[in-house]
Amino acid sequence: SSDLTQPPSVSVSPGQTARITCSGDPFPAKYGFWYQQKPGQAPVLLIYKDNQRPSGIPERFSGSSSGPTLTLTISSVRAEDEAVYYCQSADNMNIWLFGGGTRLTVL
Amino acid sequence: QVDLQQWGAGLLRPSETLTLTCAVYGDTSNGFYWNWLRQSPKKGLEWIGEINHSGATNYNPSFMGRVIMSMDKSKNQFSLTLSAVTPADTAVYYCAQSLTFWSGFAHWGQGNLVTVSS
Repeated sequence: SSDLTQPPSVSVSPGQTARITCSGDPFPAKYGFWYQQKPGQAPVLLIYKDNQRPSGIPERFSGSSSGPTLTLTISSVRAEDEAVYYCQSADNMNIWLFGGGTRLTVL
Repeated sequence: QVDLQQWGAGLLRPSETLTLTCAVYGDTSNGFYWNWLRQSPKKGLEWIGEINHSGATNYNPSFMGRVIMSMDKSKNQFSLTLSAVTPADTAVYYCAQSLTFWSGFAHWGQGNLVTVSS
């Protein structure tokens, strides 16, 4: 099966744009997903089917996919965006896989 | 609005059986996938398996032979049974729901810390 690889950490100043990548070789499935998790809380779905936002998720969060790489883009980063971000996809047996998580630090 | 509330034993001895239950509050009439996941510092987020509105299950091969998922649709509840636990099964366990296979885990339970220790 495929592993999903994320950078362990990304740092950005408030108001800047953060980009978090998730790669698989090969990328396992049709679609990717992104979650945000803050300490002591369950993950929150940010993006589904590569680039779709559930209702209630700010437009500052966007997703894209190109070949073996998913990208989460957070525009105009705020202090409240500091969290760990996880990507998700499925392998060819429909087994859900998660990346190791990327800690976003807002400087 | 959908809300998931989960419960179960928090401390187990090695070789015992872990049982967790999740109650789903809200409209599930259009179908669902009910999932169990766990999270530990060593292994991160792991998907354990799912049961869908038809009762079909799909388990992560990593847990095959030890895991059973069941549901009571009349109560909108589903359960996880994981047998022969070891300290490696110590983790926060979550239930989560997606409406379709590709819609993502939009709703999560609050999480239960399960510790396996002699």
